Amino acid sequence: DAGVIQSPRHEVTEMGQEVTLRCKPISGHDYLFWYRQTMMRGLELLIYFNNNVPIDDSGMPEDRFSAKMPNASFSTLKIQPSEPRDSAVYFCASKRTSRDTGELFFGEGSRLTVL
Amino acid sequence: QKEVEQDPGPLSVPEGAIVSLNCTYSNSAFQYFMWYRQYSRKGPELLMYTYSSGNKEDGRFTAQVDKSSKYISLFIRDSQPSDSATYLCAGGMEYGNKLVFGAGTILRVKS
Repeated sequence: DAGVIQSPRHEVTEMGQEVTLRCKPISGHDYLFWYRQTMMRGLELLIYFNNNVPIDDSGMPEDRFSAKMPNASFSTLKIQPSEPRDSAVYFCASKRTSRDTGELFFGEGSRLTVL
Repeated sequence: QKEVEQDPGPLSVPEGAIVSLNCTYSNSAFQYFMWYRQYSRKGPELLMYTYSSGNKEDGRFTAQVDKSSKYISLFIRDSQPSDSATYLCAGGMEYGNKLVFGAGTILRVKS
């Protein structure tokens, strides 16, 4: 299995620009999560989907952030307009429904720098 | 106060030492507790998972949860240089779909 695939791995952009991060979950996994990791705040859950439907977006910091999952094999996290405080590593993770909590599989992350 | 508190370290130990990593949490509704390991510039990977209180052992790793004191621990026996990484504790509800992570402890095992 290829694992969770994220792109781009690195993105440097200027304040005010639109940023789109992409994620391909592991095939057969029906949950998808977007996390953000910074030195100050650690790893924070932004939003998660079940069967392509957003279940909880209470972690999305502002209206500038939006996430979509048009099908079971693709999700995007968009920031428009971007700000320097959005600089972080954004992780996508997926898991399969199981009788207990199930293991979250993380991608390698997208490192975003907003100048 | 963060829901999950974890000393960021770094913690530096010699090879072969027993390592103790600890977290405290404040949300008494947490039922799922996990330890993730994260190597530099990589995504976290699950090490140990515990439901409610108790101990769980897997090879050199032992996870403990004490819900009465809201304390989460990870013990690593016979530590190896390859164990050098950041260790993240996490607690959560809703079948672990809303995990709250600690800040992570940086561990360095010197050969």
